[in-house]
Amino acid sequence: GENVEQHPSTLSVQEGDSAVIKCTYSDSASNYFPWYKQELGKRPQLIIDIRSNVGEKKDQRIAVTLNKTAKHFSLHITETQPEDSAVYFCAATYGRGADGLTFGKGTHLIIQP
Amino acid sequence: ETGVTQTPRHLVMGMTNKKSLKCEQHLGHNAMYWYKQSAKKPLELMFVYSLEERVENNSVPSRFSPECPNSSHLFLHLHTLQPEDSALYLCASSLVHSYEQYFGPGTRLTVT
Repeated sequence: GENVEQHPSTLSVQEGDSAVIKCTYSDSASNYFPWYKQELGKRPQLIIDIRSNVGEKKDQRIAVTLNKTAKHFSLHITETQPEDSAVYFCAATYGRGADGLTFGKGTHLIIQP
Repeated sequence: ETGVTQTPRHLVMGMTNKKSLKCEQHLGHNAMYWYKQSAKKPLELMFVYSLEERVENNSVPSRFSPECPNSSHLFLHLHTLQPEDSALYLCASSLVHSYEQYFGPGTRLTVT
């Protein structure tokens, strides 16, 4: 089955700086890679995703890059703000939908004022 | 409440009790999922229902029993749980041929 590794487990950055979280996956058949943000005591929320036929996707301050050859994908957050503090999870899956996601262990992002 | 709802939000039960978790989605989706979130572990997929049929069961102990009576409702029946089953149980839903999954707020389960 799929295995997703996520690094780092904790990331502390100064407000205004950029943050990068990296994930690797094991199954070359995986074709969908979402990122979820989970604030303390709240549900995971989908913030951005990328499919295997795309190398990069951007949404305002958030971007995701995918390297299929190396089987890794990354989340980039620019101009970080206090409200970006949360736990971020990457995930991977393959199939045509209605397949479970395999998640990484999460990264606790701390934005220092 | 819109989106995906779960009840109860908190549950404390003894090892000999029987309880059920409920999930309801108001998004017109037709696939539903149960995940388990334990401290310092990744979210673990437990069950997948697609068009009300169970399509995935990730080696979950039989003390967890899912039920999906229709595309809007999903249950997780619990009996004779162990303390290590204490966790946040998250429900999610999606369209069958779409990847985007939307999560409910979770049920925080404590087994004493």
